[in-house]
Amino acid sequence: AQKVTQAQTEISVVEKEDVTLDCVYETRDTTYYLFWYKQPPSGELVFLIRRNSFDEQNEISGRYSWNFQKSTSSFNFTITASQVVDSAVYFCALSEAGTYKYIFGTGTRLKVLA
Amino acid sequence: EADIYQTPRYLVIGTGKKITLECSQTMGHDKMYWYQQDPGMELHLIHYSYGVNSTEKGDLSSESTVSRIRTEHFPLTLESARPSHTSQYLCASSESAGWNEQFFGPGTRLTVL
Repeated sequence: AQKVTQAQTEISVVEKEDVTLDCVYETRDTTYYLFWYKQPPSGELVFLIRRNSFDEQNEISGRYSWNFQKSTSSFNFTITASQVVDSAVYFCALSEAGTYKYIFGTGTRLKVLA
Repeated sequence: EADIYQTPRYLVIGTGKKITLECSQTMGHDKMYWYQQDPGMELHLIHYSYGVNSTEKGDLSSESTVSRIRTEHFPLTLESARPSHTSQYLCASSESAGWNEQFFGPGTRLTVL
């Protein structure tokens, strides 16, 4: 069965702190795709990154970095030197090859305090 | 540039009214989706479409219906709105393969009094 678990419901940090958002997934497929989305207070989900199951290379984009580990079925997201504008709900999602469906986690609400 | 539009953005309506939430995309995507979400909470898939004249119900039981007569248009209709329908409704689209990310519209926040 497919499942995405984001165990952290809410995280609060002070500006400039680093923060890691956890994502653990379950799938029986060998080919699958993982995604992170950001939902700011305005409500629209914004795509951040995708990874396929054959590419475990970590990725860095500015202050954002992603750590994909198949051995632990995790796809964690780190924000370095957090800013108030990073305050949002972040969703991790899973999609299997050839399927219509995207399985979303329950989201992690990040609050960055000035 | 991803372009997916939803109207209205906000809607307050009385119980028993029929409403249609509009969703359009200009990217030529085959797949379109409707999600129901209480603000900042989990997304629940209520309908999806593979393409024109193809619609399916999602995981969350919903009293709404959808249609897909044109590739770019995927409206959602509630025949008789109830207070339990109060929520945010998000429309999304993607290219065919599961590899492709979904693009989301800005959402419609519905309040049924």
